[in-house]
Amino acid sequence: GAVVSQHPSWVICKSGTSVKIECRSLDFQATTMFWYRQFPKQSLMLMATSNEGSKATYEQGVEKDKFLINHASLTLSTLTVTSAHPEDSSFYICSARHPQGASYEQYFGPGTRLTVT
Amino acid sequence: QKEVEQNSGPLSVPEGAIASLNCTYSDRVSQSFFWYRQYSGKSPELIMSIYSNGDKEDGRFTAQLNKASQYVSLLIRDSQPSDSATYLCAVMSSESGYSTLTFGKGTMLLVSP
Repeated sequence: GAVVSQHPSWVICKSGTSVKIECRSLDFQATTMFWYRQFPKQSLMLMATSNEGSKATYEQGVEKDKFLINHASLTLSTLTVTSAHPEDSSFYICSARHPQGASYEQYFGPGTRLTVT
Repeated sequence: QKEVEQNSGPLSVPEGAIASLNCTYSDRVSQSFFWYRQYSGKSPELIMSIYSNGDKEDGRFTAQLNKASQYVSLLIRDSQPSDSATYLCAVMSSESGYSTLTFGKGTMLLVSP
């Protein structure tokens, strides 16, 4: 159990366009999902926390108007990178919190590699 | 600010040896502790979780927690080349009903055949 999927696995887009990334918890309901970004050879950086039915909470320095997050159901959160630029090229990874008692283990999706040309 | 510290490595061990990965954390009220493995170019994979002081064993992996020292470790017995990866320590804390997971920067492990 505790499988998280992401789609697409990789995407190449032109500068100025928008890209939507989907994150799904396949075998559990996740009231909370997280979006991370990771540049090569660097650590995970939390971008935002997504709660079902409410607005996402963004980390300091992350532009909420550029990175739109929607958590419309207990199994789906989406991240839209609007007006993408080459500096947005990165590995975007979502994770979902598994509500197992008080443990709240967090499982990651396989990631989406975004390249903006 | 909550901090999770790990030695970046690389930690190099020969095949068959025990690899010991360490992690310290700053938030004394942290409750849950996790180890993730991340292969290059892949997303992190949860391999161990530990919630109370002492040892927890799962196959070749043993997690050790000492809350008094704010220290958590991961031992990998009979290390294999396929264990070569970056190991991320993560610490969960709850505050005002809001839980956050803080990651260390990771320790790179290299297991040589």
